[in-house]
Formats: sequence, C-alpha cells, structure tokens
Amino acid sequence: GQQLNQSPQSMFIQEGEDVSMNCTSSSIFNTWLWYKQEPGEGPVLLIALYKAGELTSNGRLTAQFGITRKDSFLNISASIPSDVGIYFCAGLHNNDMRFGAGTRLTVKP
Amino acid sequence: EAGVAQSPRYKIIEKRQSVAFWCNPISGHATLYWYQQILGQGPKLLIQFQNNGVVDDSQLPKDRFSAERLKGVDSTLKIQPAKLEDSAVYLCASSLDLGVAFHYTFGSGTRLTVV
Repeated sequence: GQQLNQSPQSMFIQEGEDVSMNCTSSSIFNTWLWYKQEPGEGPVLLIALYKAGELTSNGRLTAQFGITRKDSFLNISASIPSDVGIYFCAGLHNNDMRFGAGTRLTVKP
Repeated sequence: EAGVAQSPRYKIIEKRQSVAFWCNPISGHATLYWYQQILGQGPKLLIQFQNNGVVDDSQLPKDRFSAERLKGVDSTLKIQPAKLEDSAVYLCASSLDLGVAFHYTFGSGTRLTVV
C-alpha cells in the first residue's frame, strides 16, 4: 500500500526559530493535508493542498504540494510555545487517506 | 457546529475481554471513518462507511474487530476478544462526502489499554 515517509521524527527548537518538515511517498496523491495533534485530542486540519505545485499559507504556516505529487512540506515561521505538538502529513488518493508517522515538535521558550 | 463525539474517552480491559466504542459524527456528514493510532505512529484506517454501507474495510482485522453504522448516523466499533497489541487510541472521523478532505474532522478518540 501507499507509505508516507515523514521527517524529521522530532525537533527541538528555540522560540522564534523557523521549522521545516516534509513528507515523501512512492505513490502519487490527489490531495496533501497537514494536521496537528495535541495530547488527548484528535488531529486538527491545518492546511489542505489540492493541486501539484500549490503553495498555501495559514498564518505562520506555509505548505506546498510537490510537483511530482509525491511529496509535500510544511514550514512554521517564528515558532511560539503553543506550536508544540505532533504534526502529521496525510495524502489522499481517491477515498484512501494515509498518514505519516508524525513530527514531534518541542519549542523551548 | 458540534464536533465528532466519541465515548468513552478511556477504557482499560484485560486481554480476551470485549470492548465497544461509540461515535457520533458531525450532523450531515455522510462518510464516517474509524482509525487506530498506536503510540508513536500516525492514524491507520480500519474501516470507512458511506451512509450505512461499508466502503473499505480491507485493513480491519475481521476475526476480532467489527463495526456497524446501522442508520447511517452514529457508529460502534467492537473488539472481541481483545489482545495486548490492540492497545491504542481509536479515532473516529467524519466527512461531508467521500474524498472531501477539507471537511474531514476527527473526534478526540478513545484510549484503550489492554492489560
């Protein structure tokens, strides 16, 4: 089946720094999504990307849908303590959504 | 708009016991999903419903897991008998329709511990 490789697995950064994480797949997806999950909660959608090459921002978050349709990245600028959590990429092809293993972000004040 | 409701929030059972989880999706959402999230991993789809019909249950361990959505609204997921490796968070999600990613909303999950 379709496997998503998400990296890095974890990040420890200082408040104010920028963050970048990415997701790659051996298969193409029609839609890429980025979610954030906090302890005890379900994943919450941050950004959805629908076209190859699309670059979309949501506040301090920016994500891009790779031209090959096999990858995506998420950038967080000027990180703040409330950015702490696990970030998941997800790819949707037809009705099948697959998730990466997540990037655990820790922000030190 | 009310979110996806799940209960219970936590459940601890012994291996070989049975357990059931309940999910009430967002009103009007035709598609309902059950995911299993093992600690340190991303969610893995178990079963997908469109109204009261099963769209995909290829990753559901059918020898012990079952799920139903009889009236096309709320759904139950059952494990019988439970194994230690079933310890995980079970997430329910709903969507307006198949493939409508933007409306894909998760509940808070049920954390199952099998001892």
